[in-house]
Amino acid sequence: GAVVSQHPSWVICKSGTSVKIECRSLDFQATTMFWYRQFPKQSLMLMATSNEGSKATYEQGVEKDKFLINHASLTLSTLTVTSAHPEDSSFYICSARRGIKETQYFGPGTRLLVL
Amino acid sequence: KQEVTQIPAALSVPEGENLVLNCSFTDSAIYNLQWFRQDPGKGLTSLLLIQSSQREQTSGRLNASLDKSSGRSTLYIAASQPGDSATYLCAVETSGSRLTFGEGTQLTVNP
Repeated sequence: GAVVSQHPSWVICKSGTSVKIECRSLDFQATTMFWYRQFPKQSLMLMATSNEGSKATYEQGVEKDKFLINHASLTLSTLTVTSAHPEDSSFYICSARRGIKETQYFGPGTRLLVL
Repeated sequence: KQEVTQIPAALSVPEGENLVLNCSFTDSAIYNLQWFRQDPGKGLTSLLLIQSSQREQTSGRLNASLDKSSGRSTLYIAASQPGDSATYLCAVETSGSRLTFGEGTQLTVNP
């Protein structure tokens, strides 16, 4: 159990367009989901924390109007990169957990390339 | 602000060697520490999780230790194999369930 999926795994888009990435917990209900970004040769950086049914909490320096997060159900969270630019090209990874003090289970990641 | 450092950044060893990866963190107020494995272009696989009250955890050929007071953890890999080649990430969990990651150690095990 505790499988997290992401879709798509790869996306290439033109500068100025918006891209939506889905994160699903396949076999458990996730009260909290996390979104991370990883640039090449760097570690994961937490972007935001989302709890089902409430607004996401963004980390300092992450623009909430650019990275829209929706956690409408206990098994799905979406990250929309609005008006994407080449500097948004990165590897985006989500994680999900059942409850407080539970471990986080990570998705396989989505690689975004903005041309 | 919590900072996590991993040493070395890269390590290349011949098959069969025992090796140690190091992780240090600046704020000892952690809930737990976790070691992950990341293959190129892939997500994270959790290897070991050590609660703040524990000193070590073992899984197969892997052993992780935690010295919370000194802000250090080590991951020991016994009898390394080419399949162990990957990037190993250390992460500490602090208040608000925030995970702070180190930059990883890229391990290559040569046949």
